[in-house]
Amino acid sequence: NSKVIQTPRYLVKGQGQKAKMRCIPEKGHPVVFWYQQNKNNEFKFLINFQNQEVLQQIDMTEKRFSAECPSNSPCSLEIQSSEAGDSALYLCASSLLQGDSGNTLYFGEGSRLIVV
Amino acid sequence: GQQVQQSPTSLVLQEGENAELQCNFSTSLNSMQWFYQRPGGSLISVFYNPSGTKQSGRLTSTTVIKERRSSLHISSSQITDSGTYLCAMERSSGSWQLIFGSGTQLTVMP
Repeated sequence: NSKVIQTPRYLVKGQGQKAKMRCIPEKGHPVVFWYQQNKNNEFKFLINFQNQEVLQQIDMTEKRFSAECPSNSPCSLEIQSSEAGDSALYLCASSLLQGDSGNTLYFGEGSRLIVV
Repeated sequence: GQQVQQSPTSLVLQEGENAELQCNFSTSLNSMQWFYQRPGGSLISVFYNPSGTKQSGRLTSTTVIKERRSSLHISSSQITDSGTYLCAMERSSGSWQLIFGSGTQLTVMP
């Protein structure tokens, strides 16, 4: 069973408000991913970290999101100014990324954002 | 176009029947995973299967890299197998990003 912990499970924000989600990866997993899953089951990769460093991120994330993975603190993903189209399930995953089964991603239960 | 195509989109079975889920990739892949998701639930990794065949209980996954496809076979389906099954490919080595298919919605009836 995955031990990736995400909070909050649900958050409701008005357009223009900040929305912040947190993730505690599995212990010992150096790599953390954030994905967005929309109502059509479509997944969008947002950003990933190795330890505290950003590895890759998409353009949208760079412009509208603020994300970090500080040592000894939960990782976080924050939308600076929420838009209706941001309503989705935000999934955090962690991985060992050390070959074969070490590349398996373990997902948290997600934070469901509703922008009204 | 979609890089990862799953079929069927949905599948309804009677308990005890077998299920075959398919995943096809339009580009070369480095590795792939199958995930299971209950409504409102988290993604659970079912198989990390970059190539060949892996079995776990009633589940079997076969990935043929040069044919750019992977399948998930569920034998003797149970009601608790109901949910969404997603395959995801990792692009070229080192990208570490998964590209997901749109999923197969499986419903197992009593």
